[in-house]
Amino acid sequence: RKEVEQDPGPFNVPEGATVAFNCTYSNSASQSFFWYRQDCRKEPKLLMSVYSSGNEDGRFTAQLNRASQYISLLIRDSKLSDSATYLCVVNGGGGFKTIFGAGTRLFVKA
Amino acid sequence: GAVVSQHPSWVICKSGTSVKIECRSLDFQATTMFWYRQFPKQSLMLMATSNEGSKATYEQGVEKDKFLINHASLTLSTLTVTSAHPEDSSFYICSAIRQDRASTDTQYFGPGTRLTVL
Repeated sequence: RKEVEQDPGPFNVPEGATVAFNCTYSNSASQSFFWYRQDCRKEPKLLMSVYSSGNEDGRFTAQLNRASQYISLLIRDSKLSDSATYLCVVNGGGGFKTIFGAGTRLFVKA
Repeated sequence: GAVVSQHPSWVICKSGTSVKIECRSLDFQATTMFWYRQFPKQSLMLMATSNEGSKATYEQGVEKDKFLINHASLTLSTLTVTSAHPEDSSFYICSAIRQDRASTDTQYFGPGTRLTVL
């Protein structure tokens, strides 16, 4: 089983749609969780951290369920510029080590 | 926000040559930097952890004699791909941990270096 698993997609959605990405992780001792965005041929950029209480930043909402070892990202009112690969990132668990999911590709179309 | 730079941004070289990639933290000191590699349509794979003033820690399957890492200062880590071969062609990305913030486990990524070995 992979340490961090994501649905690879691609997700093809129209502008204005709401889309949700899921991610599961295997190490219950993991401490920090993030969603990164990566555009084609570019480096990953931090989108948002994920907290147990859930957090929201504009159109983006992230949730963490430690009991189920599950992380989600919800994007509302999708824009064309949201088209990218979204990486689930899990950190910690016995020393600093960051594990990246393989990413979920999103295409938002007009 | 924190800025991490990489140089060069892209390089094309002949098989058998060595290529050095620099990673710099521009506005903060980083005792720990990471080197990743990403093949097309695949996730980032951690190659090694670069520690200032000490030897790098390599992930399983990464040849330390082929991928030489030097972290001589708090703002610079270098990755040298020795005797590069076409299978080493990839996107190499470094990242750095900022030490002077409360949340110290956020990584800041460099823009990446695209290596093509002919």
